[in-house]
Amino acid sequence: AQSVTQPDIHITVSEGASLELRCNYSYGATPYLFWYVQSPGQGLQLLLKYFSGDTLVQGIKGFEAEFKRSQSSFNLRKPSVHWSDAAEYFCAVGAREYGNKLVFGAGTILRVKS
Amino acid sequence: DAGVTQSPTHLIKTRGQQVTLRCSPKSGHDTVSWYQQALGQGPQFIFQYYEEEERQRGNFPDRFSGHQFPNYSSELNVNALLLGDSALYLCASSLAGGAGNEQFFGPGTRLTVL
Repeated sequence: AQSVTQPDIHITVSEGASLELRCNYSYGATPYLFWYVQSPGQGLQLLLKYFSGDTLVQGIKGFEAEFKRSQSSFNLRKPSVHWSDAAEYFCAVGAREYGNKLVFGAGTILRVKS
Repeated sequence: DAGVTQSPTHLIKTRGQQVTLRCSPKSGHDTVSWYQQALGQGPQFIFQYYEEEERQRGNFPDRFSGHQFPNYSSELNVNALLLGDSALYLCASSLAGGAGNEQFFGPGTRLTVL
């Protein structure tokens, strides 16, 4: 069965501090991995994606993620968080074998304190 | 270039009623997927339409049906509404070709069933 786990429901970090959001997946195929961000009342915006090649991918807004096949993980990182980063973050996985269907994690709510 | 648009923004229905939600894909996209996002959860895949046919379906009952029109826009219909159908319904568009293609999400329709 395909599943995505985001172990942290809420994370609070101070502005300027570094951030890491965890994502683990279970997938019976070579995965494509995504991180989306959702602000209140908004749809999902793609931050970054991994298909193949370099396991460290860069995204928008200064975010990056690292794919670790041995750990089935795709953690999202940012070296210095801004107050505007406060939002909910979703990890998602897809595979060519499953078409364009995405399986999402339950999300992590990021709070930024000044 | 307009992105994915959805209508209406909000909707309130009572149990047993039927509802139709609408989605216009991003210009140039030919594939539309629908997701249900219950409060506090990640989006769950309902189904996907391409060339006016349902191509993939998630674990949703037959009360959920859809349609895609020749201009690639799409409708999601839900019959015999239940309280548990209250959720944010997200439409995503993409180009056919597999999971590697980015899905662009609309802002969603918030459905409340009383």
